[in-house]
Amino acid sequence: GEDVEQSLFLSVREGDSSVINCTYTDSSSTYLYWYKQEPGAGLQLLTYIFSNMDMKQDQRLTVLLNKKDKHLSLRIADTQTGDSAIYFCAETPGYSTLTFGKGTMLLVSP
Amino acid sequence: DAGVIQSPRHEVTEMGQEVTLRCKPISGHNSLFWYRQTMMRGLELLIYFNNNVPIDDSGMPEDRFSAKMPNASFSTLKIQPSEPRDSAVYFCASSLSTGGDGYTFGSGTRLTVV
Repeated sequence: GEDVEQSLFLSVREGDSSVINCTYTDSSSTYLYWYKQEPGAGLQLLTYIFSNMDMKQDQRLTVLLNKKDKHLSLRIADTQTGDSAIYFCAETPGYSTLTFGKGTMLLVSP
Repeated sequence: DAGVIQSPRHEVTEMGQEVTLRCKPISGHNSLFWYRQTMMRGLELLIYFNNNVPIDDSGMPEDRFSAKMPNASFSTLKIQPSEPRDSAVYFCASSLSTGGDGYTFGSGTRLTVV
């Protein structure tokens, strides 16, 4: 299919690690992104990875890229209640405009 | 940097009325995007501009929707006449290019058509 696929919902306990998965469609995507949307707000760029990388770490965030399987994941270490939000994966097929998944709602309970 | 500024934040209008949504992109960004977000369809790209020129409007739902970018610091999305199914959150985003740098989003306009 043509869609960027994400699971819709993830629930974790505070302090645990969260892993949000995404399957994208276009192997020519140069960059892959993770955005965060808090209630009532726009999307905020969290991190991105260049397609020639396998992993990128930024403080509590780790992005893993498997180009063979077109699979992208975002790991949040020591998840906090403030991490509760919707997380969007996005690709840039053919260095064109961003195509977003439908988002994964992360709920962090105390 | 004030970011991407959208107005109004909320709009409630009656079916059949004209609605105009406004966006001020980040200064220096040369690409501007209008997205619509609904629970059912997620984020949909409606139209995007590069250097004030509309590049792709294939996402515009129908002729009732129109968008303009008269200069580098202002864009509008107009719906005339509005219908209840147009109710959604409309986001404007800007970027230095169409890809690679990521987009900076505004806070959105929540449109309710009754």
